[in-house]
Amino acid sequence: ETGVTQTPRHLVMGMTNKKSLKCEQHLGHNAMYWYKQSAKKPLELMFVYNFKEQTENNSVPSRFSPECPNSSHLFLHLHTLQPEDSALYLCASSQGAQGARQPQHFGDGTRLSIL
Amino acid sequence: QKEVEQNSGPLSVPEGAIASLNCTYSDRVSQSFFWYRQYSGKSPELIMSIYSNGDKEDGRFTAQLNKASQYVSLLIRDSQPSDSATYLCAVRRTGGYQKVTFGTGTKLQVIP
Repeated sequence: ETGVTQTPRHLVMGMTNKKSLKCEQHLGHNAMYWYKQSAKKPLELMFVYNFKEQTENNSVPSRFSPECPNSSHLFLHLHTLQPEDSALYLCASSQGAQGARQPQHFGDGTRLSIL
Repeated sequence: QKEVEQNSGPLSVPEGAIASLNCTYSDRVSQSFFWYRQYSGKSPELIMSIYSNGDKEDGRFTAQLNKASQYVSLLIRDSQPSDSATYLCAVRRTGGYQKVTFGTGTKLQVIP
């Protein structure tokens, strides 16, 4: 069991649907991250939040919309997705986004399939 | 050139042997290096971190860092079938809100 919880674990949606992924961390961390993991590709950083402020948007299409209401919760709102968006979406947290020695702790991910 | 490069494998080793996993990186200002283990269908789990040149040991795991050669490795002694997983190398640079860059991972298979 990890200190970072993601729901749902699996999600199948059509291209016209709107859904949200949720992440909650119980580690007292101040930074949270969204990553995309596709087969045979490295983990791709999507967004970084530090103390609820977005500090990085790694050129992510606007059909992905993050929300961070507090340091413990992170959402990824999805709308009008494409088949190539099918992947494992991982949430991570760390003590802070600054400080090179702070490792990230990952949730179990949401396996997203776009029909 | 990929920012963080790993051989995708699979790397097959017999049970009890030493598994050696390698990673090279391109950004010379990288400061922190992490090894994550990821079982199929699971999230990455941090197993080692290293920040200074040399070796760092933790149980059966040893991380080795050579900043001059931009090379980091992970040795797993007395490999067990439960070590079979994909091992991700991650590199973090200095300054600002540092981005962590991951390699594609090396799949390790420990044969009983």
